Amino acid sequence: GAGVSQSPSNKVTEKGKDVELRCDPISGHTALYWYRQSLGQGLEFLIYFQGNSAPDKSGLPSDRFSAERTGGSVSTLTIQRTQQEDSAVYLCAIEGGLDGYTFGSGTRLTVV
Amino acid sequence: GEDVEQSLFLSVREGDSSVINCTYTDSSSTYLYWYKQEPGAGLQLLTYIFSNMDMKQDQRLTVLLNKKDKHLSLRIADTQTGDSAIYFCAEGAYSSASKIIFGSGTRLSIRP
Repeated sequence: GAGVSQSPSNKVTEKGKDVELRCDPISGHTALYWYRQSLGQGLEFLIYFQGNSAPDKSGLPSDRFSAERTGGSVSTLTIQRTQQEDSAVYLCAIEGGLDGYTFGSGTRLTVV
Repeated sequence: GEDVEQSLFLSVREGDSSVINCTYTDSSSTYLYWYKQEPGAGLQLLTYIFSNMDMKQDQRLTVLLNKKDKHLSLRIADTQTGDSAIYFCAEGAYSSASKIIFGSGTRLSIRP
């Protein structure tokens, strides 16, 4: 969606490989969130960043998942040693509160 | 912990009203949201309601909130084929740094 760019839009990777997913929000948004949507499932919260505060990592499913946000803008979500159950659409979103979120179009990750 | 539940499927006849139901557990939620995800598209905020309201109406959409029972519903009047989508219920607190918890989504299909 407008305001959040995600890349790549599609990623096919072999089981055991590492992948990096990128989220590039328009400037001025201090809060950034990662969710994932598995086939037939709802949105699963992964992590969020708010300014210079420590990120809330409570949703990360395992220590193979990590995320960082550089300079308060671009964020990367890294999945190490990918497994087939990691296959999902990974969504990045900005802001929250009154107007809800603005979501990016997502990265569809397929682990084969 | 926080949890949002909704039925997975709903089928209605074109022109009838659709009612999508949702229950949530976090009594501190300030906002309740409805998001719409059309096939192949990202999530878009459809409407939201403050927790101190009982009802909100916006054209064909009516949101009803029963805070005592933690029950939220979305009514779509005169359902059209363009309303076919997955509808996600979500809850959140009033803070730009608060994560929003989503339900699993209700897939609405329209039959002629």
